[in-house]
Parts: sequence; structure tokens; C-alpha cells
Amino acid sequence: SQQGEEDPQALSIQEGENATMNCSYKTSINNLQWYRQNSGRGLVHLILIRSNEREKHSGRLRVTLDTSKKSSSLLITASRAADTASYFCATARSSNTGKLIFGQGTTLQVKP
Amino acid sequence: NAGVTQTPKFQVLKTGQSMTLQCAQDMNHEYMSWYRQDPGMGLRLIHYSVGAGITDQGEVPNGYNVSRSTTEDFPLRLLSAAPSQTSVYFCASSGSRLGAETQYFGPGTRLLVL
Repeated sequence: SQQGEEDPQALSIQEGENATMNCSYKTSINNLQWYRQNSGRGLVHLILIRSNEREKHSGRLRVTLDTSKKSSSLLITASRAADTASYFCATARSSNTGKLIFGQGTTLQVKP
Repeated sequence: NAGVTQTPKFQVLKTGQSMTLQCAQDMNHEYMSWYRQDPGMGLRLIHYSVGAGITDQGEVPNGYNVSRSTTEDFPLRLLSAAPSQTSVYFCASSGSRLGAETQYFGPGTRLLVL
């Protein structure tokens, strides 16, 4: 079964609002990554957070990791129409294996 | 750099036919992976490789073979196509150094098995 489960499955917001997506996983991890996928395209890496980190920022993105709850959240602030995409979390149980297990994703629609 | 390239972009097969999906990367990455993406299922790992000559199974390896004879190439072979293998296939690569775990994805191959 897949490692990551994401919530919600779909999210629709207005431009300028914040979007929060959650990811839960089942086993211990080395790192957790978030990816974005625009319709019909490949995935693009957004941010990586390691198991010994609790929060990380990149531009309008903020990721938190709670290893005790085996969960992570991705916050996109001041959303734009261009943020419309699917967002996936992926976990790596060990460092540097090239093996990621993906969640089912959250589809985000940002209305202009 | 071209990054990760995949061919073909789209393929239609009949049940029982075999084919090879090509994947190449020019970033000298040690790690390469194949995923399939089905509606509502996210990405599932088929096979992966940690270097030339070394491959291992992922979550859904049945019906697929891989080999890694060079660092650059990681072809995925469908031995006898089945309608259940209709999907979008993504190849990805990443480096082995700490801090280089980001995976770079190709544009995908859409496969339809009739």
C-alpha cells in the first residue's frame, strides 16, 4: 500500500487565499518531499524536509513535519491562479536510495 | 542539459504485445526510477536502480522488466501488455549525494492497451 495519504483530495480557493494540504504516512522516514504536477505534465520538486526538521520555507511555501504524528502539511500563502495543479507528498525511508513512495495527491484549483 | 527524456510520448498496444519505454538522463545521476500514474492512485513505483547494473523492485513490478547497462539509460519493458497496464508512465532520476535526493521527472509516456 502507498506510504502517503493526502487530505483533502480536492481543494478550491480564491486567488489570494491560503491553501493547506496534509499528508500522513505509516512508517519511519528519512525525508519527506512535496511535488507539484500541472495537468498533463511531469512532476516538479518543491521542497524537501528531513526527519530531524520541523519546518521549512521556500518563497510562498511552508512545510511542517511532525514525526510523532507521522504527518506533514504544505501551506501555500497568497495563492495565484498559476498555483492550480496537483500536489503530492513523497517519502523516503532511507537517505539516498532513489526510492520514493508517493501519496495520492491533492488537486488544488485557484480561482481568479 | 535535456534533463530526463522519455520516448515515445504516446503508444497504443494490443493485448499481448511487448514494447520498451525509453528513458534517458544527462545529469550523471546514479538513481533512476519508473512510476506509473493512474487516476486517483497517485504515482506507484514499478522498478528503480541505484546504479549501472543494479535494479530492484518497487510496489508494482509484475509484468515489467528493467535493466541498467549504462548510467544514462533505464528502459522499461512490458513483456506481454494487458489492459491493466494502461497508464501514464514517468521516469525519474536523482543524485546520490546527501542533499541531492530531489527527483527529476520526464514528461511521461501515455500507454493505451486495447
